[in-house]
Amino acid sequence: DIQMTQSPSSVSAPVGDRVTITCRASQDIKYFLAWYQQKPGKAPKLLIHVASSLQSGVPSRFSGSGSGTDFTLTISSLQPEDSATYYCQQGNSFPLTFGGGTKVEIK
Amino acid sequence: QLQLQESGPGLVKPSETLSLTCVVSGDSFSGSHYLWGWLRQPPGKGLEWIGSMFYGGSAYYNPSLKSRVTISVDTSKNQFSLNLNSMTAADTAVYYCARYDSSNSGGWLDPWGQGTLVTVSS
Repeated sequence: DIQMTQSPSSVSAPVGDRVTITCRASQDIKYFLAWYQQKPGKAPKLLIHVASSLQSGVPSRFSGSGSGTDFTLTISSLQPEDSATYYCQQGNSFPLTFGGGTKVEIK
Repeated sequence: QLQLQESGPGLVKPSETLSLTCVVSGDSFSGSHYLWGWLRQPPGKGLEWIGSMFYGGSAYYNPSLKSRVTISVDTSKNQFSLNLNSMTAADTAVYYCARYDSSNSGGWLDPWGQGTLVTVSS
């Protein structure tokens, strides 16, 4: 199985700050990486697929980059509604696997 | 707009079989690059993929659960199902259904159902 490692596990930042979350795969997954946002009591919501493609309707302050084993999710200007847990997921091969999550809080 | 909705028991006894159904509305199962499947999330923990299935029949399962899982698709009812046998307390989780898009030979999960909490207890 491909292991996905996210860091940090949590981050607290003020409104307007730039926040970066990283995800590392245990082997080359090309660009088959997706990011999800999950708020308490809700299902995960797709933000980005194939590493850098923004899902329709997702604010442009979210962006993704990377290929191979190292990937990044960036929130360019943190907003109060961005308070959530973020997960990466590799889609290169089955079984699909997820990172452990990054909890983003507003300071 | 495609929507998924899970249904099933909220409480299952140890050693019993969990059966969940996901009804798909707003679109059909057509699309050779779509798989239909299940994930779960224990309370306060991360996400675990259980398995996904093409409507045509090929299925992929998480090796950690493969011996206990069956996913099936009923195109006539626009729904798919999960059976997970020999349930234990460790299987207590919110269970989600989701569509997996493999159109780029590797993919992502969208949309998701709202999730249903399943508790294993006698």
